[in-house]
Amino acid sequence: QVQLVESGGGVVQPGRSLRLSCAASGFTFRNYAMHWVRQAPGKGPEWVAVISYDGRNQYYADSVKGRFTISRDNSKNTLYLEMNNLRTEDTAMYYCARHRGAELLSGSWFDPWGQGILVTVSS
Amino acid sequence: DIQMTQSPSSLSASVGDRISITCRASQSISSHLNWYQQKPGKAPEVLIYTASNLQSGVPSRFSGSGSGTDFTLTISNLQPEDFATYYCQQSYSTPPITFGQGTRLEIQ
Repeated sequence: QVQLVESGGGVVQPGRSLRLSCAASGFTFRNYAMHWVRQAPGKGPEWVAVISYDGRNQYYADSVKGRFTISRDNSKNTLYLEMNNLRTEDTAMYYCARHRGAELLSGSWFDPWGQGILVTVSS
Repeated sequence: DIQMTQSPSSLSASVGDRISITCRASQSISSHLNWYQQKPGKAPEVLIYTASNLQSGVPSRFSGSGSGTDFTLTISNLQPEDFATYYCQQSYSTPPITFGQGTRLEIQ
């Protein structure tokens, strides 16, 4: 079955860095674009970033642009999110999600999602 | 950015009821609207994509309708497992992809 498993979260001080990983299995990872979506405690989801199936194209939410980098290693079936200069407002559950839809952004939805990994930014 | 507004924010209903949740976009998004269900401690799961298409494996008591700026998720014959939080999501004018603030469906 399709499975996405995030790792790498934890507690980090403001201004520090963290790298999240998402291990994919049960489908041909290299054929799909992938997203990161986060959800702050008690809030709705917030889209963070997307990367094309081949890694050539990436798009980011304004809130993370210039600080976060999405990447992938298709040989390892793994998606990454490098998070630099973390802020307290980045505290959230971070989910990786498989892209669905014909285009990279327009008309897209997420299915499935991983179980999520918690990132807490606090001094 | 396109803003998505859901109503109501919370809703109480009973098993067997029929309920509707509305999602309004700040501008036309054609049919690029998706619905998710989220249970406590779990990731969201897609129910409806492109406004009215039922995701494989989702019970037929869930349905979606609408286009342009106004969309509706309807659940007929509510079951105990349907009590959860529901989110709409648009992907018309992107980036960014945006979500509604959620509707919490509670047992009356």
